[in-house]
Amino acid sequence: GQNIDQPTEMTATEGAIVQINCTYQTSGFNGLFWYQQHAGEAPTFLSYNVLDGLEEKGRFSSFLSRSKGYSYLLLKELQMKDSASYLCAPMDSNYQLIWGAGTKLIIKP
Amino acid sequence: GAVVSQHPSWVICKSGTSVKIECRSLDFQATTMFWYRQFPKQSLMLMATSNEGSKATYEQGVEKDKFLINHASLTLSTLTVTSAHPEDSSFYICSALMGGITYGYTFGSGTRLTVV
Repeated sequence: GQNIDQPTEMTATEGAIVQINCTYQTSGFNGLFWYQQHAGEAPTFLSYNVLDGLEEKGRFSSFLSRSKGYSYLLLKELQMKDSASYLCAPMDSNYQLIWGAGTKLIIKP
Repeated sequence: GAVVSQHPSWVICKSGTSVKIECRSLDFQATTMFWYRQFPKQSLMLMATSNEGSKATYEQGVEKDKFLINHASLTLSTLTVTSAHPEDSSFYICSALMGGITYGYTFGSGTRLTVV
């Protein structure tokens, strides 16, 4: 079967760094997306990884290891507005996105 | 950047009535539009994939006669929830791919449907 495993909830302090891990199992693989979703809003695109390694985009970086079925999202210099759910979504061989429930990140002052 | 405009943002309707949700791609042509539903604290659930000029492909367990999808043009896709019931109350979101996959899927702002 296909599944995503992410922590349900994480807490971090403003200004700190947090790493959100994601392990996945899919039928085939065509890359992995990270999305941010604030409560009551639609997801917004953060990153896409298809090759192994780290992709850096400002305060956010995303890492992929295809052999391990593992990815993480790294958020630096945390701001209160980063409080949101973070969704890891791999794409299977049919180019279907597989969605988990995401990780709710709580930022404290 | 690419924008998908979704209307209405929220709607309250009486049980048994129908509700239409529109998604327009504002600065690109969306050959394919994806329709999702999301219940509180749950993952996005793909309901159907609509392709311009052809019938939508529904996911297993989604009633095609209840959730009517029309994709008559490259910039407009609609989802009509027919004979809505309280259990249809949910957050409905459309999504499309603009350009290459590296830009990610763009989502509409979502529609909060409450059936009373």
